[in-house]
Order: sequence, then structure tokens, then C-alpha cells
Amino acid sequence: QKEVEQNSGPLSVPEGAIASLNCTYSDRGSQSFFWYRQYSGKSPELIMFIYSNGDKEDGRFTAQLNKASQYVSLLIRDSQPSDSATYLCAVKIKAAGNKLTFGGGTRVLVKP
Amino acid sequence: NAGVTQTPKFQVLKTGQSMTLQCAQDMNHNSMYWYRQDPGMGLRLIYYSASEGTTDKGEVPNGYNVSRLNKREFSLRLESAAPSQTSVYFCASSEKGVSDTQYFGPGTRLTVL
Repeated sequence: QKEVEQNSGPLSVPEGAIASLNCTYSDRGSQSFFWYRQYSGKSPELIMFIYSNGDKEDGRFTAQLNKASQYVSLLIRDSQPSDSATYLCAVKIKAAGNKLTFGGGTRVLVKP
Repeated sequence: NAGVTQTPKFQVLKTGQSMTLQCAQDMNHNSMYWYRQDPGMGLRLIYYSASEGTTDKGEVPNGYNVSRLNKREFSLRLESAAPSQTSVYFCASSEKGVSDTQYFGPGTRLTVL
């Protein structure tokens, strides 16, 4: 089992709809969770991080963390074509010395 | 502030050649990292440096060496390049803390023939 798992997609979303991305992780002791966006040919850039159970909102993005079920999700509201990218989930895995472990990423395509 | 810079942006090597990838950050961060990214796979940690003067192996260190030259600079060396090292290499840095957000450089696209 991979330490951090994401559906590779592509997740096709109509413009204006909500994109929902999921990420599961294996280490129950994990503390911090990150979502990065990566455009094709570019470097990852941080969207947001979360470390408490519940929701955290930043503009059109909402991260949701459920430590009991070991998943973290990202919602993108009012999706725009400019949101088309690969979204990487990253988790600080306690068992790995608190190093950041990345999932394989979910490719999102927002269609006008 | 330039953030995290990497040189070169592109490189083509022949099998057995050596090269050094350079990385520098101007954010006064303590920690620096080298990752590789292959198609369909996430970022995999090669080496990291938690602070100046220390380096540690990550998930895929074989075939690589690193040097934390000073607080700003962290280089990655391939002593004898192999086709399996064809990848995109990213350097990142972070300030040690609760969030420990990592900031990435633009990447180096390396092809080994």
C-alpha cells in the first residue's frame, strides 16, 4: 500500500462546477497535510495546508481533513479553465521522520 | 526575492557522464530538499538537508550525492549518469516549523542517453 494515494484522473469538470479531489494516507500519526497545484511543465505551488480535523477555506478552495478515516480532500468551487492542472497531495508522515510524502497527483480538466 | 533558483533548466548527458545540479534559495530557510518527478509518479525525495551542515538520504538516494555548501545552496551530483536517472529534478526549501511549507524551484529537465 502506498503511503499517500490519489486517483490519477483525469477528473473532467464543467466550468462553474465543483471539483472534488480525494487523498488517503496510511500513517495514522501524520500531522500536516498539503495540497499543491502543478501546471504542465511547471513546479508545484502550494494551495493550502491543513492540520486540524474539519474544513479550511481559502477563496474558492476548501480542504477537508478526517484523521479518523485517514483522508484529506480538496474542493474547488466555481471551477475555471485556469484550474486545469495536476493537484498533488502531500503528507508529513510521522513514520518517515516527518518528511513530506507526495501522492501521484490527480489531473483535473475544466471544460468551458 | 527570487525564491528558489535552479541551474541548469535543461541538460542532456550521455551514460556515464557526471554533472552537478545547483540550487539556491534567498528566503533564509533552514531546510532544503532534492526531489525527482517521473511521469505518473509523484515527487520522490532523493536527499534533504534539515539544516546547514547536515544531509540525509530520502526515498531514492542511489546514484546521487549532495552538498549543503552553506545555508543558501544545496547541490545534487550525479557521478555516473544512467538512463534511469532521466527525470525532472526539483529543489525545494522550507522554514522549520509547524506548517513547514516547502517552496519549489523551477526544475531541471535531465535526459540521459
